[in-house]
Amino acid sequence: GAGVSQSPSNKVTEKGKDVELRCDPISGHTALYWYRQSLGQGLEFLIYFQGNSAPDKSGLPSDRFSAERTGGSVSTLTIQRTQQEDSAVYLCASSSPGQETQYFGPGTRLLVL
Amino acid sequence: SQQGEEDPQALSIQEGENATMNCSYKTSINNLQWYRQNSGRGLVHLILIRSNEREKHSGRLRVTLDTSKKSSSLLITASRAADTASYFCATEWNFGNEKLTFGTGTRLTIIP
Repeated sequence: GAGVSQSPSNKVTEKGKDVELRCDPISGHTALYWYRQSLGQGLEFLIYFQGNSAPDKSGLPSDRFSAERTGGSVSTLTIQRTQQEDSAVYLCASSSPGQETQYFGPGTRLLVL
Repeated sequence: SQQGEEDPQALSIQEGENATMNCSYKTSINNLQWYRQNSGRGLVHLILIRSNEREKHSGRLRVTLDTSKKSSSLLITASRAADTASYFCATEWNFGNEKLTFGTGTRLTIIP
């Protein structure tokens, strides 16, 4: 079946602009995660959605970052007033209820000029 | 920080040799997982070992877990060029919340 998809694959933007990154999880997966990976680094947790529960936003680095998940499926990560340090690969993952394994999308490579 | 640390940061071996990567973490965990990442893109789950397990096998992969030392190792036997990738350990440490904390990764290069 279809895996996790993310769009766009690549995004180049100018400093100060807003960007929206999209994640389509695997159908039926109730948990959705966003991570950020800077060049050559590990994954940094950003935000976690689980069903209808309030999201865990503890990893968001600043109030310029926000995310929503509509209808328990598609999620959008928004970065306002982008800064050069926001340049990274943004990865989305999903998992099904009670499953500890996460399935990752291919990521969005964001470059802020 | 809960982040794990992989060791070594980079490893180059000849094809056919075995590759061993280590992971250390800081707190008690529910389980530890290993993921592989090709070309800086999406991660692929390789194997999961629970806190009450000491060793697990999957094909050419062997994972060990020592909770007393808070460490794990991933062994890839009979390496192939296609094994070239970055390998990350990830720990689930908060029961009921499936958040994973990832280590910094080991970059493995298999020389044909």
